[in-house]
Amino acid sequence: NAGVTQTPKFRILKIGQSMTLQCAQDMNHNYMYWYRQDPGMGLKLIYYSVGAGITDKGEVPNGYNVSRSTTEDFPLRLELAAPSQTSVYFCASSYGGGRGSETQYFGPGTRLLVL
Amino acid sequence: GENVEQHPSTLSVQEGDSAVIKCTYSDSASNYFPWYKQELGKGPQLIIDIRSNVGEKKDQRIAVTLNKTAKHFSLHITETQPEDSAVYFCAAPEAGGSYIPTFGRGTSLIVHP
Repeated sequence: NAGVTQTPKFRILKIGQSMTLQCAQDMNHNYMYWYRQDPGMGLKLIYYSVGAGITDKGEVPNGYNVSRSTTEDFPLRLELAAPSQTSVYFCASSYGGGRGSETQYFGPGTRLLVL
Repeated sequence: GENVEQHPSTLSVQEGDSAVIKCTYSDSASNYFPWYKQELGKGPQLIIDIRSNVGEKKDQRIAVTLNKTAKHFSLHITETQPEDSAVYFCAAPEAGGSYIPTFGRGTSLIVHP
């Protein structure tokens, strides 16, 4: 299994541009998550999904959108990029929310720089 | 939502020493507490976890202890090695059916040879 994959690894955007961060998992996990990691600030949840067709906001959703049309894919859309969105973005997945299935598996991250 | 505080933010030790990182949480109904290790340029990876029905769990040089009364749990690393140098995160879930964890801010552990 490839686990959780993310593309691209690194991207530079100009202010106002848009882009989609791709995330895919091949573990048949129900739950998927998007986090951003700023230096010294830990992991902040942007959006999450508990299954195909179901998404919900996390702690810092403003400026982002997500969709979950399949179990495998969970893309994160940035509209009108701003310097405040400069960060490292991690996608994660887990089997579910029940006992014994909480372990999250993280992708390698996408480093985004907005200038 | 769940509030998770992690200390210290930076921990520097000599090889062979022990390291302890502590997290406190606010939701007394939380029942699952993982620790993740993040190496430079990589995503976090689970290293150990504990459930609320036990007080301690060990896996070779690492252990996690849980104090439900005080609402804190700690990561213990013994006989530290340079390859233990990384950022460590704790997490605690919000109570309820869905597992949506809140992460601590992370501890940067530096093990000097």
